[in-house]
Amino acid sequence: EIVLTQSPGTLSLSPGERATLSCRASQSVSSTYLAWYQQKPGQAPRLLIYGASSGATGIPDRFSGSGSGTDFTLTISRLEPEDFAVYYCQQYGSSLWTFGQGTKVEIK
Amino acid sequence: QLQLQESGPGLVKPSETLSLTCTVSGGSISSSDYYWGWIRQPPGKGLEWIGTIYYSGNTYYNPSLKSRVTILLGTSKNHFSLKLSSVTAADTAVYYCARGRGGWFDPWGQGTLVTVSS
Repeated sequence: EIVLTQSPGTLSLSPGERATLSCRASQSVSSTYLAWYQQKPGQAPRLLIYGASSGATGIPDRFSGSGSGTDFTLTISRLEPEDFAVYYCQQYGSSLWTFGQGTKVEIK
Repeated sequence: QLQLQESGPGLVKPSETLSLTCTVSGGSISSSDYYWGWIRQPPGKGLEWIGTIYYSGNTYYNPSLKSRVTILLGTSKNHFSLKLSSVTAADTAVYYCARGRGGWFDPWGQGTLVTVSS
């Protein structure tokens, strides 16, 4: 089973700053099957990025994904007030789906 | 626009079976382009994949839950279901259903809190 480790656990930033979130896999993941989600308190997760770098429908272009193999990154170019939330990476492989433990982006 | 809605008891006693239904509207559960999944989130914690079912009826479960989980399609009524047996307090969580494609889940239902307590 592939384990995803996200870092940092918490990221304290100000609106307008750039956020860089990391997701590291315990073994190689196909880029096709790496996704990122945003979750706000009391809400269901929302798909942001699929295929490691493709933006989901309606997602602002300040959100971008990159990476391959075991190292993937979600970047928020300029934080808006509504971007402060928890972010999860997720992978699929060998008929198993796993999530990272999440990174909380909080207002500094 | 596809929507998913979880339903079922909000309180289950220890050792009993948790049963939830996900009703899909705005699209067909019988499409071979998609699959359907259950994911849960204990209070204050992260997301845990429970299992997935395909149009064919093939199922895949989280190894840590496999012995207790059953996911079924209800094709005639456009819904699918989750059963989790022998529950304990550790199974207290918000349970989400979601549509899958490729390797990701989108969209998700709003989630339903299930508490395991006597």
